[in-house]
Amino acid sequence: GENVEQHPSTLSVQEGDSAVIKCTYSDSASNYFPWYKQELGKRPQLIIDIRSNVGEKKDQRIAVTLNKTAKHFSLHITETQPEDSAVYFCAAPHPSGGSYIPTFGRGTSLIVHP
Amino acid sequence: KAGVTQTPRYLIKTRGQQVTLSCSPISGHRSVSWYQQTPGQGLQFLFEYFSETQRNKGNFPGRFSGRQFSNSRSEMNVSTLELGDSALYLCASSLGANTVVDEKLFFGSGTQLSVL
Repeated sequence: GENVEQHPSTLSVQEGDSAVIKCTYSDSASNYFPWYKQELGKRPQLIIDIRSNVGEKKDQRIAVTLNKTAKHFSLHITETQPEDSAVYFCAAPHPSGGSYIPTFGRGTSLIVHP
Repeated sequence: KAGVTQTPRYLIKTRGQQVTLSCSPISGHRSVSWYQQTPGQGLQFLFEYFSETQRNKGNFPGRFSGRQFSNSRSEMNVSTLELGDSALYLCASSLGANTVVDEKLFFGSGTQLSVL
């Protein structure tokens, strides 16, 4: 399986609804989990991140939750707006060659319909 | 503060040629990492440079190499280009105080490479 699994690959919601994207990682020693947003034709930008010493972090309409036991973390967007439409990537450290490298989920295309 | 700058924005090459891409990090950032983004494989880590030394490496063949200069600017080189190397190549900078997996990454807009 993939080192970081991200679901769903596509998410279509109505404006005002909530959206949840989930990522599962494999290495229990991982301790930093960022989420990036990439609008069409633009660069990925960090929108929120969480470290393993907390279970939840919020920033206005965006939140991230972490379950270390189950090795998954989720991005929650409330009151979605059309400008939230983008591809969202999660990332987690994964062991490689004696160290850790950044490993990304395949991305979730979020479409918010006005 | 200026963001991460990548040049060129677009590049067209033919098989067998080599290419060099450039990345200027945010002022004060000492770590530069490179990524390949394709529709099929997603976003994949190539390598990371810190203080002019490669600190971390992903699972790409030796045709992919890089370097970093004393001002933290970085270049990535791909030799003997193959059709499968067509991709968006992104660089990201970070402070470098911790490992690349423990820091916030600031991405450039990327170089879109097409190999014909």
